[in-house]
Amino acid sequence: NAGVTQTPKFQVLKTGQSMTLQCAQDMNHNSMYWYRQDPGMGLRLIYYSASEGTTDKGEVPNGYNVSRLNKREFSLRLESAAPSQTSVYFCASSYQGEGTQYFGPGTRLLVL
Amino acid sequence: GDSVTQMEGPVTLSEEAFLTINCTYTATGYPSLFWYVQYPGEGLQLLLKATKADDKGSNKGFEATYRKETTSFHLEKGSVQVSDSAVYFCALRTPLSGGYNKLIFGAGTRLAVHP
Repeated sequence: NAGVTQTPKFQVLKTGQSMTLQCAQDMNHNSMYWYRQDPGMGLRLIYYSASEGTTDKGEVPNGYNVSRLNKREFSLRLESAAPSQTSVYFCASSYQGEGTQYFGPGTRLLVL
Repeated sequence: GDSVTQMEGPVTLSEEAFLTINCTYTATGYPSLFWYVQYPGEGLQLLLKATKADDKGSNKGFEATYRKETTSFHLEKGSVQVSDSAVYFCALRTPLSGGYNKLIFGAGTRLAVHP
């Protein structure tokens, strides 16, 4: 049972490049989330998917897009990376209505 | 809107010292409350939770009591170990439409325990 997995673990991009962060869960959870973690700011919600086929904006969605490919997978795309998007990105999942979220190990992104 | 405020770190303690990390919240109603822990280089793990007022969550020697009078959920441990060195996040659950929910996190408190 792998839980929540994320790829890649680390990525360096140049300003303007694009990339997709992948997330998958094997716990049969309905809901999935993308957060970014910045020093002194805790975790901030970028996008979430309450159930398969739906996605919604969180607190800081600008510059990002998401795709809920199926129940297991939820990807985050940066179309044109900016230095302000340098951060650690975490994916999480949970059952509908259940507060406990399970987190992946994170992707550390550096935009030069 | 809903928010969580944690004491700023870092908190530096000697092994076997008593730990308190303060957490207060602002929310409509009585949300479920959580403490998550992040060890170096890892994702967040649920440490404990409380779903209603006066509940006490506990795990691995850590405890926190849901106090609606003071809107607080302070984390405590009687005797910390070096292995407890990590970043601790307080969070509350806030509802979304359709019966779904999201978590709102505090800024995190770094704990360093030395021998």
